[in-house]
Amino acid sequence: DTGVSQDPRHKITKRGQNVTFRCDPISEHNRLYWYRQTLGQGPEFLTYFQNEAQLEKSRLLSDRFSAERPKGSFSTLEIQRTEQGDSAMYLCASSSGTGPNTGELFFGEGSRLTVL
Amino acid sequence: AQSVTQLGSHVSVSEGALVLLRCNYSSSVPPYLFWYVQYPNQGLQLLLKYTSAATLVKGINGFEAEFKKSETSFHLTKPSAHMSDAAEYFCAVSGSKIKTIFGAGTRLFVKA
Repeated sequence: DTGVSQDPRHKITKRGQNVTFRCDPISEHNRLYWYRQTLGQGPEFLTYFQNEAQLEKSRLLSDRFSAERPKGSFSTLEIQRTEQGDSAMYLCASSSGTGPNTGELFFGEGSRLTVL
Repeated sequence: AQSVTQLGSHVSVSEGALVLLRCNYSSSVPPYLFWYVQYPNQGLQLLLKYTSAATLVKGINGFEAEFKKSETSFHLTKPSAHMSDAAEYFCAVSGSKIKTIFGAGTRLFVKA
């Protein structure tokens, strides 16, 4: 299967700990997105990369959050000093193209974070 | 700024009945519109998309949606519901920006 993969699928941590999620996009896709989804809500945009460049970050992404895509392939999303409000499903998606997004986003199955 | 409003967080239909899921959008530029479906424990999958070609768009699994600029709507329909259609459905919009903005979702229940 060559879809978008995310790791880990589930993470339980204590408040104040750091966590890191990894996303491997579809190999030929130059765009990579991170979204956050809480119960009963749609995916909320966090950030996106065009190749290795992080081109936009949401105001939702506080200074405790950092994302990287060092070689334009896989990406990591790190949350420092986790808070209970960070509990959510973190979704990664990828796509190809330039200009406005007119195409399909391919989503992974998500990484569910529970902060105790 | 762009936004999407999905009317009704839950919709329940009987098997074989018409499915209608409502979506209204706001966009200052010509929008690109999408419907995604999310089955339990699975990632979001694209059902269909509108990118300024035909206003009636056909998607997978018998779903279709009609872009109505005058009503700023992009409602999703299916003539006859099947039990396997039970899922959460998300309307989404993109435009001059790269990011795609999603609605809050509508959970579809199908009764036997």
